[in-house]
Amino acid sequence: LAKTTQPISMDSYEGQEVNITCSHNNIATNDYITWYQQFPSQGPRFIIQGYKTKVTNEVASLFIPADRKSSTLSLPRVSLSDTAVYYCLVGDYSSASKIIFGSGTRLSIRP
Amino acid sequence: DAGVIQSPRHEVTEMGQEVTLRCKPISGHDYLFWYRQTMMRGLELLIYFNNNVPIDDSGMPEDRFSAKMPNASFSTLKIQPSEPRDSAVYFCASSLSGQDQETQYFGPGTRLLVL
Repeated sequence: LAKTTQPISMDSYEGQEVNITCSHNNIATNDYITWYQQFPSQGPRFIIQGYKTKVTNEVASLFIPADRKSSTLSLPRVSLSDTAVYYCLVGDYSSASKIIFGSGTRLSIRP
Repeated sequence: DAGVIQSPRHEVTEMGQEVTLRCKPISGHDYLFWYRQTMMRGLELLIYFNNNVPIDDSGMPEDRFSAKMPNASFSTLKIQPSEPRDSAVYFCASSLSGQDQETQYFGPGTRLLVL
């Protein structure tokens, strides 16, 4: 079971780049790394997914080192609306019991 | 499309009662997922369906939990009998494919409180 470890909380300011790192030492070969964003009273929302190296989309970048034992979500130029909980998920949907999101990182953005 | 629709949004019941949560996935999505979120255990995948067929229910906590998907536009998660430790937010999600989580959309959740 791929357990993930993230910081409980982070603070930053508008316009800054925020990097959130997730550790997953026992990631399996078939596991993908996915990051989700969740606002209060809402379901999680997909941000980005990767397997190795670097992935970039219109909202974030995901950096994965060669050993895949960690990953870093990078949010460029954050705004107040990026205040949310961010979850790192490592697993594959071939077995539902492997899918556990963990406690997430509570990101607070200040003006 | 209105997105994934869940009902009820809130449910309060007494221990021992049967609870039924409902979900309408996004039209055209072949996969449907049921998750449970608690402070203690975070967000866990309970079961998922592909084309209305349960594929993996290994995340279901115990026999008191059951899920069905009678057709492509409707699924239920039933707890019978309910217990206080079942109190949680239950999310339903749907996606075009299984592993491609980019297309997985979550519903607003059902907040269940078992007294």
